[in-house]
Amino acid sequence: IAGITQAPTSQILAAGRRMTLRCTQDMRHNAMYWYRQDLGLGLRLIHYSNTAGTTGKGEVPDGYSVSRANTDDFPLTLASAVPSQTSVYFCASSPTGKKQGNEQFFGPGTRLTVL
Amino acid sequence: GNSVTQMEGPVTLSEEAFLTINCTYTATGYPSLFWYVQYPGEGLQLLLKATKADDKGSNKGFEATYRKETTSFHLEKGSVQVSDSAVYFCALRSEISQFYFGTGTSLTVIP
Repeated sequence: IAGITQAPTSQILAAGRRMTLRCTQDMRHNAMYWYRQDLGLGLRLIHYSNTAGTTGKGEVPDGYSVSRANTDDFPLTLASAVPSQTSVYFCASSPTGKKQGNEQFFGPGTRLTVL
Repeated sequence: GNSVTQMEGPVTLSEEAFLTINCTYTATGYPSLFWYVQYPGEGLQLLLKATKADDKGSNKGFEATYRKETTSFHLEKGSVQVSDSAVYFCALRSEISQFYFGTGTSLTVIP
């Protein structure tokens, strides 16, 4: 069982370039999330999706877009990268529903550097 | 609204010392509470959780009790090891499946 996979593991990108971070889960979770992690700021939610076909904006959505064509995949796109988007990006998933205690499962992260 | 506040680090302890990392929350309704751990270069892993008041979550010697009266979920371990060095995140899941994370507390355990 792979859980959540992310690709690439790391990337150095020139400013202005377009970049898509990939995220795939095999747990059939309805909800998926993208976070960025920056030193001293913890995790900040970029975008989320509660189910295939729907997406929503998180705390820091500007400069990012997502799509959710199916249950398993949730790619994050930077249309025109800027240096302030240098960060570590984590994808996560979670079951939804009324059951309390459903946690989020995290991928290993993508370290992105924008020069 | 919902939010999580945890003590700022970094925290440095000697091996076998007692650990407490404070976490308090603000929430409407009846949230679930979690502690996640992040080892260097890795993603977050669930450490323990509690789903209702007075529940105690425990794992790998770590414990945390869901205290509704003080809106707290403090993480404790009686005797830390070097291998416990990591960043610890307190988190809350609301009744409508939204997650809120604290800013993380870095722990370094020295031999």
